Amino acid sequence: DAGITQSPRYKITETGRQVTLMCHQTWSHSYMFWYRQDLGHGLRLIYYSAAADITDKGEVPDGYVVSRSKTENFPLTLESATRSQTSVYFCASSEGTALNEKLFFGSGTQLSVL
Amino acid sequence: KNEVEQSPQNLTAQEGEFITINCSYSVGISALHWLQQHPGGGIVSLFMLSSGKKKHGRLIATINIQEKHSSLHITASHPRDSAVYICAVRIAGTASKLTFGTGTRLQVTL
Repeated sequence: DAGITQSPRYKITETGRQVTLMCHQTWSHSYMFWYRQDLGHGLRLIYYSAAADITDKGEVPDGYVVSRSKTENFPLTLESATRSQTSVYFCASSEGTALNEKLFFGSGTQLSVL
Repeated sequence: KNEVEQSPQNLTAQEGEFITINCSYSVGISALHWLQQHPGGGIVSLFMLSSGKKKHGRLIATINIQEKHSSLHITASHPRDSAVYICAVRIAGTASKLTFGTGTRLQVTL
């Protein structure tokens, strides 16, 4: 399917476990982003990538790891999940060289850490 | 204080009403985005503005850079417009950082 897809849609895990959230886009957009959305907060940037093999920290990177070996994939890994990482995670992509371009969002992954 | 403030937080309107959602920001910006998040959670980009006004169908977005303020207007509102509307700004001098407001929850009733 064309577009940007995230998996899984829902995930329940336990404290201390490693979890990987997947994000795949079919447009060959240069920029990809991971955000988390929590009640009372706006979307917050975790990590972003300007191109394959180029990643950088966002506003709330602690406890997360990303990689981008291929342009179309941008997985987000929680190395040792904590309850504070319970959230809804959104992946997004953009074709622009900066964020003066339209953002396309995945459907989100609802993660619960017990 | 958040760098991006939206008002109102919640809004209920009857079908057909003209709706205005406001976004104020406290930093210098190079662009402002309006996004729509439906009850199912999906987020869609509506507009990106750096000046003036944009219109798409029944939606109109305006920005006043000097006053650090943007508005999103919905004309002839419809129940399918019920969603959370999110304002986000690109802070001037930052290549990739968008700062998001917490959203305005709109419900349009028959």
